Amino acid sequence: AQSVAQPEDQVNVAEGNPLTVKCTYSVSGNPYLFWYVQYPNRGLQFLLKYITGDNLVKGSYGFEAEFNKSQTSFHLKKPSALVSDSALYFCAVRDSGTYKYIFGTGTRLKVLA
Amino acid sequence: DAGVTQSPTHLIKTRGQQVTLRCSPKSGHDTVSWYQQALGQGPQFIFQYYEEEERQRGNFPDRFSGHQFPNYSSELNVNALLLGDSALYLCASSLSPDTYEQYFGPGTRLTVT
Repeated sequence: AQSVAQPEDQVNVAEGNPLTVKCTYSVSGNPYLFWYVQYPNRGLQFLLKYITGDNLVKGSYGFEAEFNKSQTSFHLKKPSALVSDSALYFCAVRDSGTYKYIFGTGTRLKVLA
Repeated sequence: DAGVTQSPTHLIKTRGQQVTLRCSPKSGHDTVSWYQQALGQGPQFIFQYYEEEERQRGNFPDRFSGHQFPNYSSELNVNALLLGDSALYLCASSLSPDTYEQYFGPGTRLTVT
């Protein structure tokens, strides 16, 4: 069965510091991995995806994520956080054999000025 | 170019009633997925429609049904509403089932009293 875990409900980071939002997954086939961001009163926005290839994927707004197959992780990173990055971040996985997407419970990122 | 649109924005229903939610996909997209997002949780996959057929279904009872029209718009129907059906219902569209990036609408907030 597919599953996604986001172990941190909230992450606080100072503006200008690097940020990491953690995600681990479980699938029976090959994983397709995604990060989405949700701003207040707005729909989810796609940030980046890993399907195959280079383990380090770059996405929108300067975010990147690293796929680690041995640790079954797909952590979201950004070298220098902005106050405007404060939002709710969701990791999602889709097993290569299905069209079903499983989302994590979300991590609230708070960037402090 | 309009993104994904959903109607209505908010809805209040009574237990036992039936509800229909509507979604228009982003222009050029032919695949629509529906999600239920309870307060404080990540989106839960309900089902995906492609070529007017349900292509994949999540762990939701038969009370949840859907339809896709020839213009690719979609409806989500929920019968015999329960208090636990209160949630934000999200529609997402993509270029095809095998295009991984989903575009989400703003959602319909359903309250069951």
